[in-house]
Amino acid sequence: GAVVSQHPSRVICKSGTSVKIECRSLDFQATTMFWYRQFPKQSLMLMATSNEGSKATYEQGVEKDKFLINHASLTLSTLTVTSAHPEDSSFYICSTGQPNTEAFFGQGTRLTVV
Amino acid sequence: KQEVTQIPAALSVPEGENLVLNCSFTDSAIYNLQWFRQDPGKGLTSLLLIQSSQREQTSGRLNASLDKSSGRSTLYIAASQPGDSATYLCAVVSVGNQFYFGTGTSLTVIP
Repeated sequence: GAVVSQHPSRVICKSGTSVKIECRSLDFQATTMFWYRQFPKQSLMLMATSNEGSKATYEQGVEKDKFLINHASLTLSTLTVTSAHPEDSSFYICSTGQPNTEAFFGQGTRLTVV
Repeated sequence: KQEVTQIPAALSVPEGENLVLNCSFTDSAIYNLQWFRQDPGKGLTSLLLIQSSQREQTSGRLNASLDKSSGRSTLYIAASQPGDSATYLCAVVSVGNQFYFGTGTSLTVIP
């Protein structure tokens, strides 16, 4: 199956700084990638859909200016949490896959904002 | 909007038992349904994928069924082992490959 590499796996940052999370599709071209967030003891929630070469589509309630998504190539999508605050501390995970087939997820990134 | 519910939220069983995890969804217009395993702080591992035209899939000790008309899926785990302890998530895939996840079932298998 396809491999999705997400980096970093863990990051601790100071409040007010920005953090970039990378998601790479290693063995196929991903025109679409999905970004999810998971708070403790809750399920994954879709944040945005990242489309190669165009603007991302954000879910209701997700601030696009705070969570910047760039999908400049078919193998890389990035999520930047700008001016991070403690309430942004969460588990972020990306996924991709061909429509109607198995989805492949990155390893996830545990963000802690102190 | 699609809503996915999993019951029970938590389950604790002795090693060797067979068990069933339940998943229900509100909109039957799905492409497929997938079951995932999530270990603490880790990413998701895909366990089984059932296309909307299928009724079940099997992989080793795992069997997943799908009844699209009633909006239900079950994951059956045979002869449970301590290594099966994890959170199990079901997700339905709707138009545009968008996933809707359930809230998960936290499974503990006691040696």
